[in-house]
Amino acid sequence: DAKTTQPPSMDCAEGRAANLPCNHSTISGNEYVYWYRQIHSQGPQYIIHGLKNNETNEMASLIITEDRKSSTLILPHATLRDTAVYYCIVGGSNYKLTFGKGTLLTVNP
Amino acid sequence: DGGITQSPKYLFRKEGQNVTLSCEQNLNHDAMYWYRQDPGQGLRLIYYSQIVNDFQKGDIAEGYSVSREKKESFPLTVTSAQKNPTAFYLCASSIDRRGNTEAFFGQGTRLTVV
Repeated sequence: DAKTTQPPSMDCAEGRAANLPCNHSTISGNEYVYWYRQIHSQGPQYIIHGLKNNETNEMASLIITEDRKSSTLILPHATLRDTAVYYCIVGGSNYKLTFGKGTLLTVNP
Repeated sequence: DGGITQSPKYLFRKEGQNVTLSCEQNLNHDAMYWYRQDPGQGLRLIYYSQIVNDFQKGDIAEGYSVSREKKESFPLTVTSAQKNPTAFYLCASSIDRRGNTEAFFGQGTRLTVV
């Protein structure tokens, strides 16, 4: 499975958009990009995933570059409850989802 | 309600004892997973199962064992051979073998070995 690189931490003001970057330069053609988040001491929560095209759901938007070597998760209007560790994962072709350390997003009032 | 249930939430055991963590799902998912999380770290894959009666080692399988006798259940045994068993254990399930689907996680079991 491809590895990902994420900044260890980011800050965002409440009500502003949070843009979380992820590099996955070794992604293969059949691997998806997934985003999960984990609020302290809870199980991770699925946010969104995509293959090539940009995706949007009620929680977030996922922007994948044309070469698929990087992506950005966008939370359009961050709230205090969005403070969490966000994991970018690529893979799934063999069911094996490998989580890195993720990005700790802190939303400030 | 459909979901994935781990029990218990907190578990204490004495060193040298085997302990089994429960994971049950009623989502009719084919695949199930066990992860371990240490403080300040990401999740590390212990074992995963794509189908009943089949499972594969993940990245840190030593000292652990699993079984998948039923689609709904994927118990994890932490054996006395696991050198540092104290951790937060997370179980997950997913439906699609092609990998283009989300995984659902339980709320975890925090194991403390004293």
